[in-house]
Parts: sequence; structure tokens; C-alpha cells
Amino acid sequence: EPEVTQTPSHQVTQMGQEVILRCVPISNHLYFYWYRQILGQKVEFLVSFYNNEISEKSEIFDDQFSVERPDGSNFTLKIRSTKLEDSAMYFCASSDGSGWGYTFGSGTRLTVV
Amino acid sequence: GNSVTQMEGPVTLSEEAFLTINCTYTATGYPSLFWYVQYPGEGLQLLLKATKADDKGSNKGFEATYRKETTSFHLEKGSVQVSDSAVYFCALPLQGAQKLVFGQGTRLTINP
Repeated sequence: EPEVTQTPSHQVTQMGQEVILRCVPISNHLYFYWYRQILGQKVEFLVSFYNNEISEKSEIFDDQFSVERPDGSNFTLKIRSTKLEDSAMYFCASSDGSGWGYTFGSGTRLTVV
Repeated sequence: GNSVTQMEGPVTLSEEAFLTINCTYTATGYPSLFWYVQYPGEGLQLLLKATKADDKGSNKGFEATYRKETTSFHLEKGSVQVSDSAVYFCALPLQGAQKLVFGQGTRLTINP
């Protein structure tokens, strides 16, 4: 079964550093997403990406965040200057646009110290 | 906008017990409804889904029926196993959007 692959599985970074979280969506999917889950809390939508541009973003997704699809297979989330409160599990997802064909990756646990 | 409310956890049961995890929703129209499961150390996996009223989604012995009268999509399993220990999330699409809105998650622990 096709998978969404995320790397790394766990990243520790110092506050103020930049991090890039990487994802390889399912190859024939058109919509790409990042979600975040702070420990013990809800899974929250961050951003959706379609046709090489952001289609929607939440209020969490401020100027410190950016997304990119640099080469037609990878989908990245960059946090420019990490804060302690950015510590969370970050999930990448892709969908075929049918409204319910979502596939999530296994997540990257980001720890900001 | 669309939203979903899940029963609070954690839930602890013995093996072979009957499971119900409640989920109610608020929505305009009749969106698809989903249950996702997150096993320890893993990502979110789609457990089951229903696309219209009175549909029943089922997978791995779990079932949920889309009930528009009670705006509910409760997750049930007749006989749980230790391997069902996980966090379960109810979810639905936000109106007019591709993105999903998740419930707060219910942590389920099954003891042998």
C-alpha cells in the first residue's frame, strides 16, 4: 500500500535554530498538508498545498513557517526560528482530492530545547 | 463551521470487553466522517469512514454508523484485544475545505 514517508522521525533542535521537516507524499496525490499535534492535545491543521502554492493556512502558520515542494516529490515544512512551543509531532498528509482519500505519514517528533 | 466532539479519555478495559467511544459532530450538510487510530510511536492511520447518513464504516472488527438524527458517529467493537490499545480520533472535513478537523482523541488501554 502506498505510504507517505516522513524524515527524520525525531529531531532535537536549539531554540532559534531553523529546522526543515521532510515528507514524500504519495506520488499521484495532488493535495499536501501539514498538521501538528502538541503532546496530549488535538491534531491541528497547519497548511494545505495544491498546484505549487498554499491553498489554505491556519493562524498557527505564521511568518516563521514556510512550505515548499522543491522537486516534484518532496514536500517540506521549514520553521525559520524555532520556539519552545513549536515542540510537537508534525504530520504530513496527502490526498487525491476526493475529500476522504487522506494518507498520513508516521510523523516527525520535533523537540525544541 | 464543522466541528467534532469526542468523549474524554483515557479509557481502560479488559480484553474481550465491549468498546464504545462517543463522537458527535456539528456540520453544515452531510460531510464524510472518519475514525483515525494512532498506535504507540506511529502516525495516524485511517481506521474507517462513512460518506453519507446511515452508512456504516467497518474495519478490523470496529464499526461506526453515521447517524444524522443524533449527529453521532460512535466507534464500537464487540471484543477488544490488547493490540487495540491506541489513541482514537474522530474527524470530519471542514466545510468547503480539504482539511480535516479532529476531535481531541481518546486514549484506549486494553489490559490482558
